[in-house]
Amino acid sequence: GENVEQHPSTLSVQEGDSAVIKCTYSDSASNYFPWYKQELGKGPQLIIDIRSNVGEKKDQRIAVTLNKTAKHFSLHITETQPEDSAVYFCAASIKLSFGAGTTVTVRA
Amino acid sequence: NAGVTQTPKFQVLKTGQSMTLQCAQDMNHEYMSWYRQDPGMGLRLIHYSVGAGITDQGEVPNGYNVSRSTTEDFPLRLLSAAPSQTSVYFCASSTLQGLSEKLFFGSGTQLSVL
Repeated sequence: GENVEQHPSTLSVQEGDSAVIKCTYSDSASNYFPWYKQELGKGPQLIIDIRSNVGEKKDQRIAVTLNKTAKHFSLHITETQPEDSAVYFCAASIKLSFGAGTTVTVRA
Repeated sequence: NAGVTQTPKFQVLKTGQSMTLQCAQDMNHEYMSWYRQDPGMGLRLIHYSVGAGITDQGEVPNGYNVSRSTTEDFPLRLLSAAPSQTSVYFCASSTLQGLSEKLFFGSGTQLSVL
């Protein structure tokens, strides 16, 4: 089955700096790569996703890049704000295997 | 719309007890699933369903049963709870594409098995 590895497990950044989280996957048949944000005490919420026919996608301060050859994809958050502090999960199809999560802390 | 509703929010069980975690969605989604979340292990798929009357196993199905008698409801049953089932459980739903579309998650059930 699909194996998704996510790094780093924790990330602390100064407000205004950028944050980057990287994921690798094993199944070359995977074609859908979402990112979820989980705030304390809540369920995960989709923040951005990318499909295999696209190399990059942006939505305001967040962007995702995909390298199908290398089987890795990354989440980029620019101009981080305190409300970006959360746990972020990457996932890859076919059965939506999730990474272990990255706890992001934005220092004011 | 309420989205995905899970009950209860918290539960404490003794080893060997049984219980059912409830999940309901009002978005007419065909796809529903159950995940467990453990520290350092992300979200692991327990069972999923692509429609009423159809269920299938995920990555960690042992010790759990599910049924899907209606489109709206997808309960998760623990027949004989074990301490290893202490976890936070999330129900999620999506359109029929399910595995390649946005998942809507409930707010979770925190379960402790003593």
